[in-house]
Amino acid sequence: EIVLTQSPGTLSLSPGERATLSCRASQSVSNNYLVWYQQKPGQAPRVLIYEASIRAVGIPDRFSGSGSGTDFALTISRLEPEDFAVYYCQQHAYSWTFGQGTKVEIK
Amino acid sequence: QVQLVESGGGLVKPGGSLRLSCAASGFTFSDYYMSWIRQAPGKGLECVSYISGSGIPIYCADSVRGRFIISRDNARNSLYLQMNNLRAEDTAVYYCGRWSGGLDVWGQGTTVTVSS
Repeated sequence: EIVLTQSPGTLSLSPGERATLSCRASQSVSNNYLVWYQQKPGQAPRVLIYEASIRAVGIPDRFSGSGSGTDFALTISRLEPEDFAVYYCQQHAYSWTFGQGTKVEIK
Repeated sequence: QVQLVESGGGLVKPGGSLRLSCAASGFTFSDYYMSWIRQAPGKGLECVSYISGSGIPIYCADSVRGRFIISRDNARNSLYLQMNNLRAEDTAVYYCGRWSGGLDVWGQGTTVTVSS
């Protein structure tokens, strides 16, 4: 099983600031089969990024994904009020597993 | 429009059974892998199981193997999760999700509570 570890657990930032979220895998994620989701309270998750760096349809370009192998990142260039949420990474190279999530909260 | 609607959740005693359903609309159901993802109260996302368009199942969570069965009926555009021998740790919101390189469509979730 590929274990995904997200850090930090919580990120406290102000609107307009840059957010960088990390997702580290216990073994290499082949083909960069790494997906990022956003979840707001009381809602189902929403897909943001496919294959580590491909933005999903309708996702603003302030969201970007990067990385390969075992180290991946989600960057939000300038936080908007609606971006404060929990973010999860998921790998689908070997079965499916999720990271434990990073909460982005208003400072 | 593309939509997934789950049903079948509820309160059940430990050792009991439930069958969750997910009704799909707005897309060619048989073309997609479908999945069940759960989220325990205050916790993160956990893959329970997913199934190919032709009905081949994969169980992501070791804890559900031998107790849960995923299935689909492409003629009815429906996905199912038969849950047997339920435990307190199965308490969660269960989401149905469509797979397209990522889970691009989610239902609203159905809540399963296992308690005596």
